[in-house]
Amino acid sequence: AQSVTQLGSHVSVSEGALVLLRCNYSSSVPPYLFWYVQYPNQGLQLLLKYTSAATLVKGINGFEAEFKKSETSFHLTKPSAHMSDAAEYFCAVSDPGTASKLTFGTGTRLQVTL
Amino acid sequence: SAVISQKPSRDICQRGTSLTIQCQVDSQVTMMFWYRQQPGQSLTLIATANQGSEATYESGFVIDKFPISRPNLTFSTLTVSNMSPEDSSIYLCSVVGQTSTDTQYFGPGTRLTVL
Repeated sequence: AQSVTQLGSHVSVSEGALVLLRCNYSSSVPPYLFWYVQYPNQGLQLLLKYTSAATLVKGINGFEAEFKKSETSFHLTKPSAHMSDAAEYFCAVSDPGTASKLTFGTGTRLQVTL
Repeated sequence: SAVISQKPSRDICQRGTSLTIQCQVDSQVTMMFWYRQQPGQSLTLIATANQGSEATYESGFVIDKFPISRPNLTFSTLTVSNMSPEDSSIYLCSVVGQTSTDTQYFGPGTRLTVL
């Protein structure tokens, strides 16, 4: 069975600082990996996805993530945090070739301070 | 990606009653799902809504409590039956489109409070 672990339920950064949200996965085969963002009182928005193409994936709002098979990781980064980045971020994994069984991590709440 | 809407966006209900949540997509999609997000928690898949047939439920979820319909390729409903305060959650539908078949896209969610 697949699983995903997000280290750190809460992360706080200063505006302009680097954002690093960690995600590690467990899968018997290279999976598809996703990062979603949930702003307060809203649904989930897709930030970016890895589906076995380039290992460095660029998403919306300046975010990117790198798939590292040797480390079974898919950490999310952004060089410079903005106040509008404050939200809940979810890492998710699915079997390759399908989006039908999506397993979510527990989420990381990002706080951005002045 | 498809535009997904949900109705209602939020509701406050009395225990013992039922609420039906609608999910409408602006284009035909191959798959539709329903998730529950309990307060402060991650998302848990309730079921896959199958067009023209019974939904496929995940472990811990049953049809009598969460009946689901999907009459066509753009619309689905989830009913939360005989509600209790423990059913207070955000309920989200998601879809897999006909072009981007490797990704789920989510609706805005329905925030349900049961008193």
